[in-house]
Amino acid sequence: QQQVKQSPQSLIVQKGGISIINCAYENTAFDYFPWYQQFPGKGPALLIAIRPDVSEKKEGRFTISFNKSAKQFSLHIMDSQPGDSATYFCAASYARGSTLGRLYFGRGTQLTVWP
Amino acid sequence: DAGVTQSPTHLIKTRGQQVTLRCSPKSGHDTVSWYQQALGQGPQFIFQYYEEEERQRGNFPDRFSGHQFPNYSSELNVNALLLGDSALYLCASSRGGVSSYNEQFFGPGTRLTVL
Repeated sequence: QQQVKQSPQSLIVQKGGISIINCAYENTAFDYFPWYQQFPGKGPALLIAIRPDVSEKKEGRFTISFNKSAKQFSLHIMDSQPGDSATYFCAASYARGSTLGRLYFGRGTQLTVWP
Repeated sequence: DAGVTQSPTHLIKTRGQQVTLRCSPKSGHDTVSWYQQALGQGPQFIFQYYEEEERQRGNFPDRFSGHQFPNYSSELNVNALLLGDSALYLCASSRGGVSSYNEQFFGPGTRLTVL
């Protein structure tokens, strides 16, 4: 069972445009939501993360929007650049209980930014 | 700082064989997690080690086993390899024991191909 559902599977955006990737989760016990960026041949790298006590977090061109009541969160990449072309994964984890620290990943979104 | 390192980079085995993958965590990190990433999928949690003990385990059979050494490095062993074990195996390290809020740094992975 996929604990975190991610869409779209692939995304093509023009340079300078806004890239939006969405994720949804079922388990309300999740309380940490990171986004990872992965380039070919590399491991995932943490991009930005949010906790459910805030609705938005911004770091440079990257913004996470979090909707606790809808159990959804999304990544917005403003002014998308060709160098942003990569696979993006949303994830979730618990802060307590026997599975704390374990990351549950979405299936990933392949982003291509055309120059 | 070398970051998380993994060896080997690539590995080809045949069905039924056994394999050992190695991981050295980022300097100062004491917790190691292993993930399996099938082609086109998000990473799936295998298990996590802290203080040389397996702290939690994902939904993987007993053919998958691991170890953490006093210097915090870790090994992942897979016995009786199946074709379906072909994947990128990722090691992630973090500092401060098991916690959802400790950023996990991923290595570049070991690409295992089972023929």
